[in-house]
Amino acid sequence: GQQVMQIPQYQHVQEGEDFTTYCNSSTTLSNIQWYKQRPGGHPVFLIQLVKSGEVKKQKRLTFQFGEAKKNSSLHITATQTTDVGTYFCAGGGQTGANNLFFGTGTRLTVIP
Amino acid sequence: NAGVTQTPKFRVLKTGQSMTLLCAQDMNHEYMYWYRQDPGMGLRLIHYSVGEGTTAKGEVPDGYNVSRLKKQNFLLGLESAAPSQTSVYFCASRPNGGRYEQYFGPGTRLTVT
Repeated sequence: GQQVMQIPQYQHVQEGEDFTTYCNSSTTLSNIQWYKQRPGGHPVFLIQLVKSGEVKKQKRLTFQFGEAKKNSSLHITATQTTDVGTYFCAGGGQTGANNLFFGTGTRLTVIP
Repeated sequence: NAGVTQTPKFRVLKTGQSMTLLCAQDMNHEYMYWYRQDPGMGLRLIHYSVGEGTTAKGEVPDGYNVSRLKKQNFLLGLESAAPSQTSVYFCASRPNGGRYEQYFGPGTRLTVT
């Protein structure tokens, strides 16, 4: 079955350092989405990437979708304490499929 | 708009008891989903629905049933709860028309003793 792997599982950074999480799929994805879940909260949609090689930015966050549409990354520049939480990637299967396959998430801790 | 709401927020069940979790959305979304979240395992899809009156199995459907009698509601039932069903349950909905982002409810924390 479809699998989406995400690394690292945990990351501790000093405030101001950069952070990157990586997502890899065993199959080609129709799209990749990223979600953020604050401690005790629910996942919140951040962004969706659809095109091969696509790069999108949201302030200090940069999202990339690989050329083969099987991997993705989220990079945060100069982390802040508000960035604390778990970041999930979620891949869409074949075009028209209804489901997302979530990665296991990367829990980010930012040390002030 | 309230978005996606879930009831109850917390519940403790004894093994063998049954219960129903209710998810409601006021965004007129066609697609609705039930996930469970366990430590270190991300979100796993239990069942989903692509419209009123339709349901389908996800990755981990055993021990659960669902119904979508009204477009705005998606119910998740546990007929005979087991300790392995202790988890946090999230409902989500998604618009149609080529948009794939999912909107999550606040979750239900279920403990089965």
